[in-house]
Amino acid sequence: AQSVTQPDIHITVSEGASLELRCNYSYGATPYLFWYVQSPGQGLQLLLKYFSGDTLVQGIKGFEAEFKRSQSSFNLRKPSVHWSDAAEYFCAVDSDGNKLVFGAGTILRVKS
Amino acid sequence: DVKVTQSSRYLVKRTGEKVFLECVQDMDHENMFWYRQDPGLGLRLIYFSYDVKMKEKGDIPEGYSVSREKKERFSLILESASTNQTSMYLCASSLPGFGNTIYFGEGSWLTVV
Repeated sequence: AQSVTQPDIHITVSEGASLELRCNYSYGATPYLFWYVQSPGQGLQLLLKYFSGDTLVQGIKGFEAEFKRSQSSFNLRKPSVHWSDAAEYFCAVDSDGNKLVFGAGTILRVKS
Repeated sequence: DVKVTQSSRYLVKRTGEKVFLECVQDMDHENMFWYRQDPGLGLRLIYFSYDVKMKEKGDIPEGYSVSREKKERFSLILESASTNQTSMYLCASSLPGFGNTIYFGEGSWLTVV
């Protein structure tokens, strides 16, 4: 069965520092991968998605993610974090016709 | 602008009550989903629907049912609410096909006492 692992439950970074959130997936075929962000008390907003082609994907809010098939990873990065980036981040794989399988999430705290 | 609306944001219900969570989307999407979100577990799929009158069980359907009488509306039903169903419930919709963006509502916080 497909699965997604986000090894870090919480991450704290200083404002202006770089960020990398880890995501590993288990999926037999070429995966469709997503990163979503959830601000407190809100629904999920799509940051970016990967289907095929260029393994470096650009998203909204200055985020990017790199697909590495050899490592079964799809890590999310941002070169300089802003206080407004504090939120929970979810990695997901499209397992079967838009049925997303989610990781447990990573809560990002930004310290000033 | 795309919109998935969950009419009830915060609910408190008693054990044994029948609970309806309503979801409406205005994007003419065929696919609709109900997820449950719990800390440390991420989102888990309860039920989904690819068309009107159609429904399929997700990963955790026990204790839940759904109704889709119209394309834009997908309701989640807790026949007899229990305290372990206290959670955040998220509705979502999408066009059919792999990789299409799934749009989420803002969620319904349900507390069962």
